[in-house]
Amino acid sequence: QVQLVESGGNLVKPGGSLRLSCAASGFTFSHYSMSWIRQAPGKGLEWVSYVSSSGTTRYYGDSVKGRFTISRDNAKNSIYLQMNSLRADDTAVYYCARVLGSVGAHNDFWGQGTLVTVSS
Amino acid sequence: SYVLTQPPSVSVAPGKTARITCGGNNIGSKSVHWYQQKPGQAPVVVIYYESDRPSGIPERFSGSNSGNTATLTISGVEAGDEADYYCQVWDSYSDHVVFGGGTKLTVL
Repeated sequence: QVQLVESGGNLVKPGGSLRLSCAASGFTFSHYSMSWIRQAPGKGLEWVSYVSSSGTTRYYGDSVKGRFTISRDNAKNSIYLQMNSLRADDTAVYYCARVLGSVGAHNDFWGQGTLVTVSS
Repeated sequence: SYVLTQPPSVSVAPGKTARITCGGNNIGSKSVHWYQQKPGQAPVVVIYYESDRPSGIPERFSGSNSGNTATLTISGVEAGDEADYYCQVWDSYSDHVVFGGGTKLTVL
């Protein structure tokens, strides 16, 4: 069965960096695009970033562009989110999700999320 | 940037029909997906491409999209449908995925 497991969430100081990972299993990972989506405490969903199946196409939300970098390693069935210059408003649960099709398709499987807290 | 507008809350009695709207400029020209999120859980897609339903989602869930409004309809609402619901589109002008602000469905 499809499984997505995020890791790497932690408490970090403003201006610091963190790298999130998402390990996938149960499907042919290299055939699917993936996304990161976050949810601040008590708030709605916010799309963060997208990476195509090959890793050649990447998109970012306005609030993270220039600070976050998405990548993937198809040999390790994993995607990553390198987060730099972290701010308090980056505090959220970060979900990785599989994209079923092109970039405009829906996210058919989600992980359970990893919590990032940015605070001094 | 493209904006999706959802009502913050919708309340409905058990057995009745709930309609949750998602407003956006000419949203009828876009593909719309709907997610259900219960407290402490990850979102689950309930409708994709306006009106398709994943396996395991009851037929009570349906969707439509026209003009400036997409609608998620839940017929015969049950207590277990109480959750937050989010619409989502892809905005090709900005190359962004956009989520609506979410609607909390309360079953009275």
